[in-house]
Amino acid sequence: GQQVMQIPQYQHVQEGEDFTTYCNSSTTLSNIQWYKQRPGGHPVFLIQLVKSGEVKKQKRLTFQFGEAKKNSSLHITATQTTDVGTYFCAGRRGADGLTFGKGTHLIIQP
Amino acid sequence: DGGITQSPKYLFRKEGQNVTLSCEQNLNHDAMYWYRQDPGQGLRLIYYSQIVNDFQKGDIAEGYSVSREKKESFPLTVTSAQKNPTAFYLCASSTGQGANLNQPQHFGDGTRLSIL
Repeated sequence: GQQVMQIPQYQHVQEGEDFTTYCNSSTTLSNIQWYKQRPGGHPVFLIQLVKSGEVKKQKRLTFQFGEAKKNSSLHITATQTTDVGTYFCAGRRGADGLTFGKGTHLIIQP
Repeated sequence: DGGITQSPKYLFRKEGQNVTLSCEQNLNHDAMYWYRQDPGQGLRLIYYSQIVNDFQKGDIAEGYSVSREKKESFPLTVTSAQKNPTAFYLCASSTGQGANLNQPQHFGDGTRLSIL
């Protein structure tokens, strides 16, 4: 079945440094979604990308969808302590819903 | 406010017992989902339902059962057949059915299940 791989699993950064997480699928995705889960919380939807090569920005967050629609990335510029959490990508699994990656845990050192 | 309510927040179960986790939504969403999350892991799909009285197995359905008698409710039963039930269980919902299952998923706060 469809697999969505996400790297790195953990990322430690100093506050103010940039952060990037990458998502790769074994199959072409119709769309990709990104979620953030704060420690002790539940996943919260951030954004959805649909078009090949699409780039979307939300303040310091930049999301990209690859030309082949098999990979995606989330880049955070100048991290802040409020960015701490786990970032998940999720790709459409055929007609059945989403397959989630295992997530990237972002740890920020002040 | 509209949202998804999961209860209880913490649940303890003795080995050999079945236990039911509640999930209610007032978002008027057609689709509902159950995921299991283990420490340091992503979300694995247990069951999902696109419409009342219909549901489908996800990747790890063994040892679990669900029902969808009402649009608002999608309870999950963890049966004694589930050998390693200790986990964080998340319920989610979204609009759309079938080809429209691209919509964002809204999650509840989750239930932490532990074995005594």
